[in-house]
Amino acid sequence: GAGVSQTPSNKVTEKGKYVELRCDPISGHTALYWYRQSLGQGPEFLIYFQGTGAADDSGLPNDRFFAVRPEGSVSTLKIQRTERGDSAVYLCASSPGTSGGTGELFFGEGSRLTVL
Amino acid sequence: ILNVEQSPQSLHVQEGDSTNFTCSFPSSNFYALHWYRWETAKSPEALFVMTLNGDEKKKGRISATLNTKEGYSYLYIKGSQPEDSATYLCAWGKLQFGAGTQVVVTP
Repeated sequence: GAGVSQTPSNKVTEKGKYVELRCDPISGHTALYWYRQSLGQGPEFLIYFQGTGAADDSGLPNDRFFAVRPEGSVSTLKIQRTERGDSAVYLCASSPGTSGGTGELFFGEGSRLTVL
Repeated sequence: ILNVEQSPQSLHVQEGDSTNFTCSFPSSNFYALHWYRWETAKSPEALFVMTLNGDEKKKGRISATLNTKEGYSYLYIKGSQPEDSATYLCAWGKLQFGAGTQVVVTP
């Protein structure tokens, strides 16, 4: 498709389980961002990729969270030993340029994660 | 201001009325201020990217101004319509978002 695609759109899991969230960015976009949005708050930055490498992972809350982008296109956000506090909407966005650029972000519709 | 702050948190507007709301951001190391509109069950959509002090941008009935020296941006909606109902997010650069202003336009 032409836009950013995220799967699954909804994921319900039990505390302690492992979860993977996938993002397929717009073709040709080198920059990819992951955000987490909790109720009543704005998107919280998690990690930014430029190509295959994580250019900034300062937003990852702890070592249970990990993300990869092995071929510079699709990215997977991985959450180990999920906790109830991980429940949120996980947004992915892509951009043609770099973090310091002024180009707009193109967002997916998000993956809603619920940890019971 | 160390964070991006938006006010008010929510607005109820009568159809046809105009409204505006604020985004405050760190004035140091500024390079871009983004505005996004996020409608329920959809993905956030870019409205404006603003880079220069004094910038004014317009898209239809929506416009925005930027003051980088004092660290604020205003977004204006003229003659609000029900389809303007959404959460409006601002972002300082691409990494720091405000909590948004939720706008509800009632017929």
